Amino acid sequence: AQSVTQPDIHITVSEGASLELRCNYSYGATPYLFWYVQSPGQGLQLLLKYFSGDTLVQGIKGFEAEFKRSQSSFNLRKPSVHWSDAAEYFCAVGAAGRRALTFGSGTRLQVQP
Amino acid sequence: IAGITQAPTSQILAAGRRMTLRCTQDMRHNAMYWYRQDLGLGLRLIHYSNTAGTTGKGEVPDGYSVSRANTDDFPLTLASAVPSQTSVYFCASSSTGLAGVTGELFFGEGSRLTVL
Repeated sequence: AQSVTQPDIHITVSEGASLELRCNYSYGATPYLFWYVQSPGQGLQLLLKYFSGDTLVQGIKGFEAEFKRSQSSFNLRKPSVHWSDAAEYFCAVGAAGRRALTFGSGTRLQVQP
Repeated sequence: IAGITQAPTSQILAAGRRMTLRCTQDMRHNAMYWYRQDLGLGLRLIHYSNTAGTTGKGEVPDGYSVSRANTDDFPLTLASAVPSQTSVYFCASSSTGLAGVTGELFFGEGSRLTVL
């Protein structure tokens, strides 16, 4: 069965600092990987996705993620965090023929002024 | 604005009562899903539907039922609510490709349910 681990429950960074949120997945074949963001009281919005090809993918709001098969990871990065990035971030994995995405438990990002 | 509409936004319910959470999408997506979100557990799949007329069980289906009479609507019913069903419920939809690949999920804004 596929699974997703987000080892950091809560991260605090200063505005302007760089950010990396970790995501590790478990799946036998090539996974399809996603990062979603959830602002307080809102639904989830897709930041970026990886299906195949270039392992470094660009998303919205200046985010990027890198797929590393050897490490079973898909970490999310942003070079300079803005206060509006404070939210909860979810990594998710899917695959061909699977019926739905499997989500990690989420990482809550707090941004200090 | 195209998207997913969930109702109600919030509801407090007595244990043992029946409750239906409504979900409607206007994107003509073939697949729809219900997830529940609980602190520290992320989102867990309750039920899904790959196309109108079919449904399937997800990770945590007990105590919930769904129907998919048409493409647009995917209601979730709690036949007899219990306190452990207190959660935030998200409906989502996606289009699936030729290989059945699950594409991007589009989410509603959630229904917060409290069972006392």
